Amino acid sequence: SQKIEQNSEALNIQEGKTATLTCNYTNYSPAYLQWYRQDPGRGPVFLLLIRENEKEKRKERLKVTFDTTLKQSLFHITASQPADSATYLCARYQGGKLIFGQGTELSVKP
Amino acid sequence: NAGVTQTPKFQVLKTGQSMTLQCAQDMNHEYMSWYRQDPGMGLRLIHYSVGAGITDQGEVPNGYNVSRSTTEDFPLRLLSAAPSQTSVYFCASSPGTAYSNQPQHFGDGTRLSIL
Repeated sequence: SQKIEQNSEALNIQEGKTATLTCNYTNYSPAYLQWYRQDPGRGPVFLLLIRENEKEKRKERLKVTFDTTLKQSLFHITASQPADSATYLCARYQGGKLIFGQGTELSVKP
Repeated sequence: NAGVTQTPKFQVLKTGQSMTLQCAQDMNHEYMSWYRQDPGMGLRLIHYSVGAGITDQGEVPNGYNVSRSTTEDFPLRLLSAAPSQTSVYFCASSPGTAYSNQPQHFGDGTRLSIL
Protein backbone atom coordinates (compact mmCIF):
# COMPACT_ATOMS: atom_id res chain seq x y z
CA SER A 1 0.00 0.00 0.00
CA GLN A 2 1.03 3.61 -0.42
CA LYS A 3 2.58 5.27 2.60
CA ILE A 4 3.17 8.84 3.54
CA GLU A 5 5.63 9.50 6.34
CA GLN A 6 6.77 12.49 8.34
CA ASN A 7 9.50 12.82 10.90
CA SER A 8 7.77 12.05 14.19
CA GLU A 9 10.47 13.78 16.23
CA ALA A 10 9.59 17.30 17.27
CA LEU A 11 11.52 20.11 15.61
CA ASN A 12 12.80 22.87 17.89
CA ILE A 13 14.20 26.03 16.34
CA GLN A 14 15.03 29.59 17.31
CA GLU A 15 12.83 32.50 16.30
CA GLY A 16 13.92 34.04 13.01
CA LYS A 17 15.39 30.81 11.62
CA THR A 18 13.93 28.77 8.77
CA ALA A 19 12.02 25.64 9.75
CA THR A 20 12.11 22.73 7.30
CA LEU A 21 9.74 19.80 7.63
CA THR A 22 9.87 16.64 5.53
CA CYS A 23 7.17 14.47 3.99
CA ASN A 24 8.21 11.22 2.30
CA TYR A 25 6.03 8.91 0.26
CA THR A 26 6.47 5.40 -1.09
CA ASN A 27 5.62 3.74 -4.38
CA TYR A 28 3.91 5.83 -7.00
CA SER A 29 4.25 9.60 -7.03
CA PRO A 30 1.08 11.39 -5.88
CA ALA A 31 -0.18 14.02 -8.30
CA TYR A 32 -0.83 16.42 -5.43
CA LEU A 33 0.35 16.93 -1.88
CA GLN A 34 -1.43 19.01 0.70
CA TRP A 35 -0.04 20.60 3.86
CA TYR A 36 -2.07 21.39 6.97
CA ARG A 37 -1.43 23.09 10.30
CA GLN A 38 -2.96 21.79 13.54
CA ASP A 39 -3.01 23.67 16.84
CA PRO A 40 -3.64 21.84 20.15
CA GLY A 41 -7.31 21.12 20.66
CA ARG A 42 -8.26 22.22 17.14
CA GLY A 43 -8.86 20.58 13.80
CA PRO A 44 -6.28 20.78 11.00
CA VAL A 45 -6.34 23.87 8.80
CA PHE A 46 -5.33 23.72 5.14
CA LEU A 47 -2.22 25.71 4.17
CA LEU A 48 -0.95 24.80 0.72
CA LEU A 49 -1.41 22.35 -2.14
CA ILE A 50 1.40 21.54 -4.56
CA ARG A 51 1.01 19.70 -7.84
CA GLU A 52 3.53 17.19 -9.09
CA ASN A 53 4.67 19.43 -11.94
CA GLU A 54 4.99 22.59 -9.83
CA LYS A 55 8.26 21.79 -8.04
CA GLU A 56 7.77 24.78 -5.72
CA LYS A 57 4.84 26.79 -4.30
CA ARG A 58 4.95 29.86 -2.05
CA LYS A 59 2.48 31.63 0.22
CA GLU A 60 3.81 34.52 2.29
CA ARG A 61 6.53 32.98 4.55
CA LEU A 62 5.64 29.43 3.54
CA LYS A 63 7.32 27.46 0.75
CA VAL A 64 6.63 23.89 -0.35
CA THR A 65 8.75 21.87 -2.74
CA PHE A 66 8.02 18.59 -4.48
CA ASP A 67 10.85 16.27 -5.56
CA THR A 68 9.51 13.25 -7.43
CA THR A 69 13.00 11.75 -7.74
CA LEU A 70 13.51 11.68 -3.97
CA LYS A 71 9.79 10.98 -3.39
CA GLN A 72 9.76 13.86 -0.97
CA SER A 73 8.07 17.17 -0.21
CA LEU A 74 9.72 19.83 1.95
CA PHE A 75 7.77 22.48 3.85
CA HIS A 76 9.69 25.62 4.80
CA ILE A 77 8.72 28.45 7.13
CA THR A 78 11.08 31.39 6.78
CA ALA A 79 11.66 33.97 9.52
CA SER A 80 9.85 31.68 11.95
CA GLN A 81 7.89 33.11 14.86
CA PRO A 82 6.65 31.56 18.14
CA ALA A 83 3.14 31.79 16.65
CA ASP A 84 4.24 29.23 14.02
CA SER A 85 4.50 26.60 16.76
CA ALA A 86 2.05 23.84 15.85
CA THR A 87 1.89 20.38 14.32
CA TYR A 88 2.20 20.28 10.54
CA LEU A 89 0.69 17.47 8.50
CA CYS A 90 1.12 16.45 4.90
CA ALA A 91 -1.54 14.50 3.03
CA ARG A 92 -2.33 13.08 -0.38
CA TYR A 93 -5.35 11.61 -2.09
CA GLN A 94 -5.28 7.90 -2.79
CA GLY A 95 -8.24 6.37 -4.58
CA GLY A 96 -10.52 9.19 -3.48
CA LYS A 97 -9.37 9.06 0.15
CA LEU A 98 -7.23 11.77 1.75
CA ILE A 99 -4.44 10.00 3.65
CA PHE A 100 -2.31 11.86 6.21
CA GLY A 101 1.18 11.49 7.53
CA GLN A 102 1.54 11.37 11.31
CA GLY A 103 2.59 15.02 11.53
CA THR A 104 5.65 16.86 12.84
CA GLU A 105 5.44 19.13 15.88
CA LEU A 106 7.28 22.42 15.44
CA SER A 107 8.30 24.56 18.41
CA VAL A 108 9.73 28.03 17.76
CA LYS A 109 11.51 29.51 20.78
CA PRO A 110 11.80 33.29 21.28
CA ASN B 1 -20.45 31.08 8.69
CA ALA B 2 -20.23 28.02 10.96
CA GLY B 3 -18.24 25.71 8.61
CA VAL B 4 -18.04 22.18 10.04
CA THR B 5 -19.75 21.71 13.40
CA GLN B 6 -19.17 18.65 15.57
CA THR B 7 -21.16 17.69 18.65
CA PRO B 8 -20.57 16.84 21.38
CA LYS B 9 -17.11 18.25 22.09
CA PHE B 10 -16.45 15.77 24.90
CA GLN B 11 -18.03 12.43 25.79
CA VAL B 12 -17.34 9.64 28.25
CA LEU B 13 -18.88 6.24 27.59
CA LYS B 14 -18.83 2.87 29.25
CA THR B 15 -17.73 -0.19 27.32
CA GLY B 16 -20.61 -1.61 25.32
CA GLN B 17 -22.61 1.60 25.11
CA SER B 18 -23.57 3.05 21.76
CA MET B 19 -23.59 6.64 20.66
CA THR B 20 -23.67 8.89 17.62
CA LEU B 21 -21.17 11.64 16.91
CA GLN B 22 -22.79 14.43 14.95
CA CYS B 23 -21.23 16.37 12.08
CA ALA B 24 -22.90 19.12 10.09
CA GLN B 25 -21.55 21.49 7.44
CA ASP B 26 -23.19 24.55 5.94
CA MET B 27 -20.95 24.95 2.87
CA ASN B 28 -22.92 22.63 0.56
CA HIS B 29 -19.88 20.35 0.27
CA GLU B 30 -20.34 17.01 -1.44
CA TYR B 31 -17.40 15.19 0.16
CA MET B 32 -17.42 14.44 3.91
CA SER B 33 -15.22 12.21 5.99
CA TRP B 34 -14.48 11.03 9.52
CA TYR B 35 -10.99 10.62 11.00
CA ARG B 36 -9.69 9.51 14.34
CA GLN B 37 -6.47 10.90 15.77
CA ASP B 38 -4.36 9.01 18.29
CA PRO B 39 -0.93 9.94 19.68
CA GLY B 40 1.83 8.88 17.28
CA MET B 41 -0.68 7.60 14.72
CA GLY B 42 -1.71 10.77 12.99
CA LEU B 43 -5.12 11.09 11.36
CA ARG B 44 -6.66 7.83 10.16
CA LEU B 45 -9.65 7.77 7.86
CA ILE B 46 -12.67 5.87 9.22
CA HIS B 47 -15.41 6.40 6.61
CA TYR B 48 -16.12 8.89 3.88
CA SER B 49 -18.96 9.97 1.63
CA VAL B 50 -18.86 11.49 -1.84
CA GLY B 51 -22.48 12.63 -1.69
CA ALA B 52 -25.88 12.03 -0.15
CA GLY B 53 -26.70 8.33 -0.13
CA ILE B 54 -23.11 7.21 -0.84
CA THR B 55 -20.62 6.08 1.79
CA ASP B 56 -17.43 4.02 1.73
CA GLN B 57 -14.86 2.62 4.12
CA GLY B 58 -11.56 4.23 4.96
CA GLU B 59 -8.48 2.77 6.65
CA VAL B 60 -10.04 1.84 10.02
CA PRO B 61 -13.81 1.29 9.57
CA ASN B 62 -14.40 -1.60 12.00
CA GLY B 63 -16.74 -0.77 14.88
CA TYR B 64 -18.18 2.31 13.18
CA ASN B 65 -21.21 2.94 10.97
CA VAL B 66 -22.10 5.98 8.90
CA SER B 67 -24.98 7.18 6.77
CA ARG B 68 -25.48 10.24 4.57
CA SER B 69 -29.15 11.07 4.14
CA THR B 70 -28.55 14.77 3.44
CA THR B 71 -25.69 16.82 2.00
CA GLU B 72 -25.29 18.68 5.30
CA ASP B 73 -25.07 15.86 7.84
CA PHE B 74 -22.72 12.91 8.24
CA PRO B 75 -23.16 11.17 11.63
CA LEU B 76 -20.75 8.55 12.92
CA ARG B 77 -22.19 5.72 15.03
CA LEU B 78 -20.33 3.58 17.53
CA LEU B 79 -22.39 0.42 17.86
CA SER B 80 -20.74 -1.07 20.97
CA ALA B 81 -18.01 1.14 22.37
CA ALA B 82 -14.64 -0.41 23.20
CA PRO B 83 -11.68 1.14 25.07
CA SER B 84 -9.68 0.97 21.82
CA GLN B 85 -12.06 3.56 20.41
CA THR B 86 -10.89 6.17 22.89
CA SER B 87 -9.66 8.91 20.59
CA VAL B 88 -10.26 12.35 19.16
CA TYR B 89 -12.64 12.23 16.22
CA PHE B 90 -12.59 14.79 13.43
CA CYS B 91 -15.14 15.39 10.73
CA ALA B 92 -14.13 17.11 7.50
CA SER B 93 -15.75 18.28 4.29
CA SER B 94 -14.68 19.55 0.89
CA PRO B 95 -16.32 20.69 -2.32
CA GLY B 96 -16.16 18.70 -5.52
CA THR B 97 -15.59 15.01 -5.96
CA ALA B 98 -13.24 12.69 -4.13
CA TYR B 99 -10.84 12.97 -7.06
CA SER B 100 -10.68 16.75 -7.28
CA ASN B 101 -7.92 17.10 -4.64
CA GLN B 102 -9.78 19.80 -2.81
CA PRO B 103 -8.58 20.95 0.63
CA GLN B 104 -10.50 19.58 3.56
CA HIS B 105 -12.31 21.80 6.08
CA PHE B 106 -12.18 20.26 9.56
CA GLY B 107 -14.34 20.60 12.63
CA ASP B 108 -12.71 21.01 16.04
CA GLY B 109 -13.22 17.42 17.07
CA THR B 110 -15.03 15.25 19.60
CA ARG B 111 -12.91 13.92 22.44
CA LEU B 112 -14.23 10.49 23.33
CA SER B 113 -13.20 8.34 26.29
CA ILE B 114 -14.37 4.75 26.69
CA LEU B 115 -14.08 3.33 30.21
